[in-house]
Amino acid sequence: KNEVEQSPQNLTAQEGEFITINCSYSVGISALHWLQQHPGGGIVSLFMLSSGKKKHGRLIATINIQEKHSSLHITASHPRDSAVYICAVSRGGPGTASKLTFGTGTRLQVML
Amino acid sequence: GAVVSQHPSRVICKSGTSVKIECRSLDFQATTMFWYRQFPKQSLMLMATSNEGSKATYEQGVEKDKFLINHASLTLSTLTVTSAHPEDSSFYICSARILAGGYNEQFFGPGTRLTVL
Repeated sequence: KNEVEQSPQNLTAQEGEFITINCSYSVGISALHWLQQHPGGGIVSLFMLSSGKKKHGRLIATINIQEKHSSLHITASHPRDSAVYICAVSRGGPGTASKLTFGTGTRLQVML
Repeated sequence: GAVVSQHPSRVICKSGTSVKIECRSLDFQATTMFWYRQFPKQSLMLMATSNEGSKATYEQGVEKDKFLINHASLTLSTLTVTSAHPEDSSFYICSARILAGGYNEQFFGPGTRLTVL
């Protein structure tokens, strides 16, 4: 079993739909990251969370440390949101290199 | 957010040649940079952790003589794929680490697609 599990693996939505991508992890973490990878390959860091909730535009990320679970929500989805969304966790404190462990990603396609 | 660049973005080379990929943090100093590779439809795999002024730490199964990493300054790390072979064809991504609120935060480069013929 992977240390970081994402669901669903693939998701197709219609424009305007509310989207949720889930991430569960099995290890103690110092932070959780949500990343976006577009078809060209470049990766953008969307959020880094250690507790609670963060919002940026139409994106919302939440984390429940006790349940070892995080969700990424996209409101009013748009075709330009089509990408692979990757959950990653970092372990160790600020004095360590804190390598990331990645989930396998959720491939999202938003249709017109 | 902080910007990390990679050069080149795409490279095609013949088998047996060496290829150097640069990773630069453009507006911050990064004491640690990470190198990843990604095969099609798979997630990122950490290859090595690069600290400025010291030897890189390689993950298990990654040949350090094959993938040479140099982190000569706080803004530049290079990955050299030596004697490249077709199986080295992959997408190579770097990230640079800065501290944010007591926790590490990583910013990713746009990646380099290597094709070895």
